[in-house]
Amino acid sequence: DVKVTQSSRYLVKRTGEKVFLECVQDMDHENMFWYRQDPGLGLRLIYFSYDVKMKEKGDIPEGYSVSREKKERFSLILESASTNQTSMYLCASSLPRGPGDSPLHFGNGTRLTVT
Amino acid sequence: RKEVEQDPGPFNVPEGATVAFNCTYSNSASQSFFWYRQDCRKEPKLLMSVYSSGNEDGRFTAQLNRASQYISLLIRDSKLSDSATYLCVVNAAGGYNKLIFGAGTRLAVHP
Repeated sequence: DVKVTQSSRYLVKRTGEKVFLECVQDMDHENMFWYRQDPGLGLRLIYFSYDVKMKEKGDIPEGYSVSREKKERFSLILESASTNQTSMYLCASSLPRGPGDSPLHFGNGTRLTVT
Repeated sequence: RKEVEQDPGPFNVPEGATVAFNCTYSNSASQSFFWYRQDCRKEPKLLMSVYSSGNEDGRFTAQLNRASQYISLLIRDSKLSDSATYLCVVNAAGGYNKLIFGAGTRLAVHP
């Protein structure tokens, strides 16, 4: 069974802090994704990566960066946290089949609060 | 207009009822469609893919209407355990495995 692990379930950070959200998957998946989920807005794609050291902007990359130094690990970085980045962050991975063919496997999420 | 739109609900139904959700999408070039299920405070999980010819998995039936650009999910004989939020998901045409999620429809099944 695919396991996607996010390092923290809950995080509370102050405005201006640099924040690292870590995600590790154990199924050798090429694709990894970071989403945020907000009430009424659904999941929105922040960044994704389809290979080591590769990254692509999603729909809302502003204020975020990512790092993929190893295949199993995909990190989301908030360079200077702001209150509007308070959200649930979900990491996901999938196999590199055609667009939409491969289901996403999600981690259980990190609820980040920026005060 | 949102790329994927769903009625947020909640749909409150008794056990044993049949309930249907619709979802509309804006990009006519989209090729892949899915329903994900998300329990309260949990991560989304794939429920089923939606094929052009329609498909069934036990009590769940998914349909695609390309002409009207909507997909539907029908749940028969609802169980208490079906209570969850159902997310409609559509691939972004031209996007590399990029999926667009609807905001979800909440279903509450009561005894």
